[in-house]
Amino acid sequence: QSALTQPASVSGSPGQSITISCTGTSSDVGRYKYVSWYQQYPDKVPKLMIYEVNNRPSGVSNRFSGSKSGNTASLTISGLQAEDEADYYCSSYTSNSTVVFGGGTKLTV
Amino acid sequence: QVQLQESGPGLVKPSQTLSLICSVSGGSISSGEYYWSWIRQHPGKGLEWIGYIYYSGITYYNPSLKSRVTMSADTSENRFSLKLTSVTAADTAVYYCARDQSTYGTFDYWGQGTLVTVSS
Repeated sequence: QSALTQPASVSGSPGQSITISCTGTSSDVGRYKYVSWYQQYPDKVPKLMIYEVNNRPSGVSNRFSGSKSGNTASLTISGLQAEDEADYYCSSYTSNSTVVFGGGTKLTV
Repeated sequence: QVQLQESGPGLVKPSQTLSLICSVSGGSISSGEYYWSWIRQHPGKGLEWIGYIYYSGITYYNPSLKSRVTMSADTSENRFSLKLTSVTAADTAVYYCARDQSTYGTFDYWGQGTLVTVSS
């Protein structure tokens, strides 16, 4: 299975909004609602930020939102803050009953 | 609060078998509500899903690793394990265990991760 495609890096200024894309295929992102997003600081454990395309776990800021169109999912962070600077990974369930991650996107604020 | 903790050798020789255990506290792996996963991250690289196991022993593996991976669950000890055979330097990574809240790849609780280095 091939990794989902994410931009290597995105950047934004404090207060702005940014969007990170995650492109898969009709066998994963395009087929299921099971797309998740994770935030990871350097040398830290990944943290679930979005699940099932657009759901936020308890405690995650509402500045984080998710969406999907066709084979591409997106994570939007509004009102950027310095603390949002991290790596972000998407993942999707696949038609083979497996899970595939994206290559990760480094967000610079 | 569910907690997961990986344990196992930090150094494995090439061609040998990598063995890790994930001990779970604050919840039972045999509750039947979740799948339990292994995920790894090569140094400076992205996340790679290795596979997951249900308490009954049902497993799903990453096709690229399937021939070398075995996962098992020990409900009496409330833990699950990973074995990866014939390791090479390319298997050097931080290995995480995680809980899948949805059984479809929603990892809500993670262990701290353990670095496994493959070297002679």
